[in-house]
Amino acid sequence: DQQVKQNSPSLSVQEGRISILNCDYTNSMFDYFLWYKKYPAEGPTFLISISSIKDKNEDGRFTVFLNKSAKHLSLHIVPSQPGDSAVYFCAAITSGTYKYIFGTGTRLKVLA
Amino acid sequence: GAGVSQSPSNKVTEKGKDVELRCDPISGHTALYWYRQSLGQGLEFLIYFQGNSAPDKSGLPSDRFSAERTGGSVSTLTIQRTQQEDSAVYLCASSSDSQYQPQHFGDGTRLSIL
Repeated sequence: DQQVKQNSPSLSVQEGRISILNCDYTNSMFDYFLWYKKYPAEGPTFLISISSIKDKNEDGRFTVFLNKSAKHLSLHIVPSQPGDSAVYFCAAITSGTYKYIFGTGTRLKVLA
Repeated sequence: GAGVSQSPSNKVTEKGKDVELRCDPISGHTALYWYRQSLGQGLEFLIYFQGNSAPDKSGLPSDRFSAERTGGSVSTLTIQRTQQEDSAVYLCASSSDSQYQPQHFGDGTRLSIL
């Protein structure tokens, strides 16, 4: 049972426009969510996170939105840059546990 | 500063051989994780260490897989009698002990079983 789902395996966006990556989860016990970015042949790097007590967290060009009632979160990148081209993973965890559950990733391609 | 280091970066071996993968976490990080990423898949949790202890080994795919951590630092993941379905990228991550601290990943070991 896939508790964290990224239903879009790939996304292409024009440089300068907004990229929106989506993530859905099924476990209502998750209370902390993270986004990671992964370049080929490298490990994932942490991008941004959000606690379930918030519905938005912003860091520069990156904003994560959380809709708890819909069990949905999204990552907005604006403006998108060619260097943002990578695979993006969302992950979720429940407080008091150690096990992060990752989605299958979305490959973002930003076209120059 | 030094990040998480994994070795080897690539390993090609014949079916049936044993392999050992190594992870050097960031100094001072007490939590260490192993994940596996098969082609087109997400990150599959394998095992978690808190210090030298592994509270949960249920993510290990079979009894051919084992892992240990010594001195609260280096960890090794051993796969015995490798099978072709073991081919994947094996990722190690570490984090500090505090709740919700993001994991720092190594670049992984790409394992190919012929």
